[in-house]
Amino acid sequence: DIQMTQSPSSLSASVGDRVTITCRASRSISSYLNWYQQKPGKAPKLLIYVASSLQSGVPSRFSGSGSGTDFTLTISSLQPEDFATYYCQQSYSTPNTFGQGTKLAIK
Amino acid sequence: QVQLQESGPGLVKPSETLSLTCNVSGGSISSYYWSWIRQPAGKGLEWIGHIYTSGSTNYNPSLKSRVTMSVDTSKNQFSLKLSSVTAADTAVYYCARTSIAGAGTQFDYWGQGTLVTVSS
Repeated sequence: DIQMTQSPSSLSASVGDRVTITCRASRSISSYLNWYQQKPGKAPKLLIYVASSLQSGVPSRFSGSGSGTDFTLTISSLQPEDFATYYCQQSYSTPNTFGQGTKLAIK
Repeated sequence: QVQLQESGPGLVKPSETLSLTCNVSGGSISSYYWSWIRQPAGKGLEWIGHIYTSGSTNYNPSLKSRVTMSVDTSKNQFSLKLSSVTAADTAVYYCARTSIAGAGTQFDYWGQGTLVTVSS
């Protein structure tokens, strides 16, 4: 299985901050990397697919980049509704695997 | 707007079989893949497997010996059975529409999730 490792595991930031979350794959996954946002008690929501494509309806302050083994999710200006847990997921090979999550909290 | 809704027992005894159904509304179940994903309390996400509307399946090897998925296109629903459950199978179980194409695999619509507890 391809292991996905996110860093940091948790992060505190303020409204308006620029935030970057990193995801690393245990081997190359080309650009087959997705990002999800999950709020407490809710299902995950797809934000970014194929590393950098913005899912329909997702605000443009979210962006993704990377290829191979290293990927980033950037939120350009944090809004109150962005405080949540973020997961990366590789779809290069099955089983599809997720990172352990990055919890973004209000500072 | 596609909506998914999981249903099934919230409590299952150890060694028994967990059975869940996902009802799809707002769109046809046909021509898509459909996944089950689970999340133990306070932990990350684990893909259990997916099924295509033809009935073809792909299961996570870690669970393959215990998992069976099926689809009923006439009812617009699909199902999960997980046998010989233990406390380690206690989790919130999500169903999700799965888009598989040149852009890889994405879970683009999710159910709200249902908590299944394994306990005697």
